[in-house]
Amino acid sequence: ETGVTQSPTHLIKTRGQQVTLRCSSQSGHNTVSWYQQALGQGPQFIFQYYREEENGRGNFPPRFSGLQFPNYSSELNVNALELDDSALYLCASSLAPIGGNEQFFGPGTRLTVL
Amino acid sequence: AQTVTQSQPEMSVQEAETVTLSCTYDTSESNYYLFWYKQPPSRQMILVIRQEAYKQQNATENRFSVNFQKAAKSFSLKISDSQLGDTAMYFCAFMNLDGQFYFGTGTSLTVIP
Repeated sequence: ETGVTQSPTHLIKTRGQQVTLRCSSQSGHNTVSWYQQALGQGPQFIFQYYREEENGRGNFPPRFSGLQFPNYSSELNVNALELDDSALYLCASSLAPIGGNEQFFGPGTRLTVL
Repeated sequence: AQTVTQSQPEMSVQEAETVTLSCTYDTSESNYYLFWYKQPPSRQMILVIRQEAYKQQNATENRFSVNFQKAAKSFSLKISDSQLGDTAMYFCAFMNLDGQFYFGTGTSLTVIP
């Protein structure tokens, strides 16, 4: 166990809907990163938050957005869901957005878009 | 942009034997970090081993070791004395100095009893 939790475990939505995924980081970790892992692929970096501000973003459209809260929790929001958004969404927390710091991953949320 | 390539989608090894997983990467940065993560069927990613690019000495963690060739941009993982619990997806990852990860597509390793 890494001490990082995510909810819900599974989620089914329909195309066009909006979804919010939640992550609880390890205590003291003020950096959280979100990844999308399509079936059979490696995780793709969505964005990173540090002290409640976005601190880097991968090649994802603006309908992917996030929030980070002072209590070490965070959210990933996806608007106007598309079929290709079906994936495992992972969050990972770390002490700081500095290279070399280990990222601790949660178990993921499996999102299915119908 | 950073890219990470794992050319072995699937591998298998007999229990107690040694196996090597390959990884190459492409970057224009001179300082960075490389990782191997393990993702068992339960899905939670677990750190296996980490290598700082500025260190020439290869990292070792018990039965796990790496062969880091910076000039060739190669970072392979060797698992010695393979155990059934080593069965998992293994991801090679590049981390830049901002702490952002770029993963390969993974190698599915099966340890055969």
